[in-house]
Amino acid sequence: EAQVTQNPRYLITVTGKKLTVTCSQNMNHEYMSWYRQDPGLGLRQIYYSMNVEVTDKGDVPEGYKVSRKEKRNFPLILESPSPNQTSLYFCASSFGQGGSPLHFGNGTRLTVT
Amino acid sequence: GDSVTQMEGPVTLSEEAFLTINCTYTATGYPSLFWYVQYPGEGLQLLLKATKADDKGSNKGFEATYRKETTSFHLEKGSVQVSDSAVYFCALRNNQGGKLIFGQGTELSVKP
Repeated sequence: EAQVTQNPRYLITVTGKKLTVTCSQNMNHEYMSWYRQDPGLGLRQIYYSMNVEVTDKGDVPEGYKVSRKEKRNFPLILESPSPNQTSLYFCASSFGQGGSPLHFGNGTRLTVT
Repeated sequence: GDSVTQMEGPVTLSEEAFLTINCTYTATGYPSLFWYVQYPGEGLQLLLKATKADDKGSNKGFEATYRKETTSFHLEKGSVQVSDSAVYFCALRNNQGGKLIFGQGTELSVKP
């Protein structure tokens, strides 16, 4: 089944403790991206990657890192999480840009205390 | 910059009622337009898309037409069901970084 898989689904952590949210897609997509969803602010892009070893900042990259060493994986790294990073995170992928629809994972709900 | 504006919710309808959710956009160039649906506790699922002016996207009884002259992409369904209760997002995408730009979402609640 074609899908984008994120792990974990739920994560509670404390301020400053490094964490990684994994994302993997099995559709051989070139483009991958991370979004966060917050009440009243909607969905905002954090980082994106157009291909292996090519990443770029989205609208809200502060406090996050990403890497794209393999085509299928695009982990999101929070080196020193803070409470304002409490949010619902989505990974997404597509074949290309423009008319190609993004396929989304089921989300990771992160709480930073 | 590019943006998407959706009608505010929540929208509450009775089963079998007609649904319209308005969506307008501002964009340079010729973006592709999408409607996504988010059911409680789940990720976003593509509902339909249109990639050029006058294209009509359709899926599961939902329809939307890409209107360049009015910069709109309104979502319609002739007869909603309780199972259509969800949050609906209008979005556009262009080739500048491939970012999907979302509207704020419209919550739909369908009562039996």
